[in-house]
Formats: sequence, C-alpha cells, structure tokens
Amino acid sequence: QQQVKQSPQSLIVQKGGIPIINCAYENTAFDYFPWYQQFPGKGPALLIAIRPDVSEKKEGRFTISFNKSAKQFSLHIMDSQPGDSATYFCAAWENNLFFGTGTRLTVIP
Amino acid sequence: IAGITQAPTSQILAAGRRMTLRCTQDMRHNAMYWYRQDLGLGLRLIHYSNTAGTTGKGEVPDGYSVSRANTDDFPLTLASAVPSQTSVYFCASSEDRGGPQHFGDGTRLSIL
Repeated sequence: QQQVKQSPQSLIVQKGGIPIINCAYENTAFDYFPWYQQFPGKGPALLIAIRPDVSEKKEGRFTISFNKSAKQFSLHIMDSQPGDSATYFCAAWENNLFFGTGTRLTVIP
Repeated sequence: IAGITQAPTSQILAAGRRMTLRCTQDMRHNAMYWYRQDLGLGLRLIHYSNTAGTTGKGEVPDGYSVSRANTDDFPLTLASAVPSQTSVYFCASSEDRGGPQHFGDGTRLSIL
C-alpha cells in the first residue's frame, strides 16, 4: 500500500505558469517531508524539505505548503521554466523514507 | 566531485545468475541505502545501513542482500536473479540516518 499518495501523474504548463503537485499521507508519525527532482538518466536530487511544525517553506522559486490537519503537502513552482521539466517526487520519513509515485512535469516554452 | 558512484550503469542478466551492484561514496556519510525505482511505484527501500558493520531491511528486501564492510562501500547482491527484479537501482547516502539523502545515478538492470 502506497504510504504517500501523489497527484497528478503528469502535468503540462506554459513557461511562467505555476505547477502545483500534491501529496497526502495517513501516518501521523511522519516528521520530515522532502521533495526530490529527477532528470532522465539521473538520480533524484533533494530540492526542498519541510518539517510539520512549519506551514510553508520557500527556497527560490520552489515553495512547499504543508497542512498538518489535512495531512497534505504540496509543491509550487513559481515562474516555471523549460529547465524545470523533470519528474518530481514527494516523500515522508518515519524510520525510512517513503516516496510518492512521481509527477512528470513538462514546461512548454 | 564528491558524491556517489554506482556501477555498472546498466546490465542485462539471465535469470538465475548472481549479480552484485556496486556503490561507493566519498562523503564519509554514516548511512547508506539501496532503492529500486519502478514506473508507477516510485522508489522503494530495499536495504539500509546506519553505519559500517550494520545493515537493516527496508520495504522490499526479499531476494537481495547487502554488506557494509567499511564506510565508503555498500554493495547490493542478487543471489539468483528473477525477472521481477528488473528495475532501476539507486544507492543513496546521508550523513546520519534520517538526514537528507544524496543519490547516485542508478544502475538499470534487466533480467531475462
């Protein structure tokens, strides 16, 4: 059973748009929520992460919004660029890191 | 450049054969991990090691074994490969268990 549910599977936006990727979980013991970016033929790279005592975290054009009561968190990419085209994974940590199934983002020039 | 090196980058293997995937890190990280990545399933943890000399089972350990003789190396062995082990395998490390994980570029393994 997938511990972290991620949606959508794929997303296409125009350059400058704001793609939003959503994740949900049930296990309230999760205490660390990272997002990874993966380009074809490469390993996942840590993009940004949040802990449940914070509702929002920004790093450059990337923002995580975290809703502890709803057990949901999301990634927003501001002013998206073609170079942001990649697969994005959310994850949650409790003793091990549990990954979502990934979202393939395409940013059209 | 510091990081994780995995070898081979890809391999085609006959079912029933033994295979060892190599992983070396030069960051002196204590913790290391092996994941498999399958379409529609994301990444799933196979085995981990908190520190040299210790290993533990992850979410999908069956059919795989690991060893951690020193800090830098964490090989993954398939004793008798089966087609369901066809996957992309990623090694990762973190300074300590629970810390941010850094990934290698993976080994694409096909079992025929």
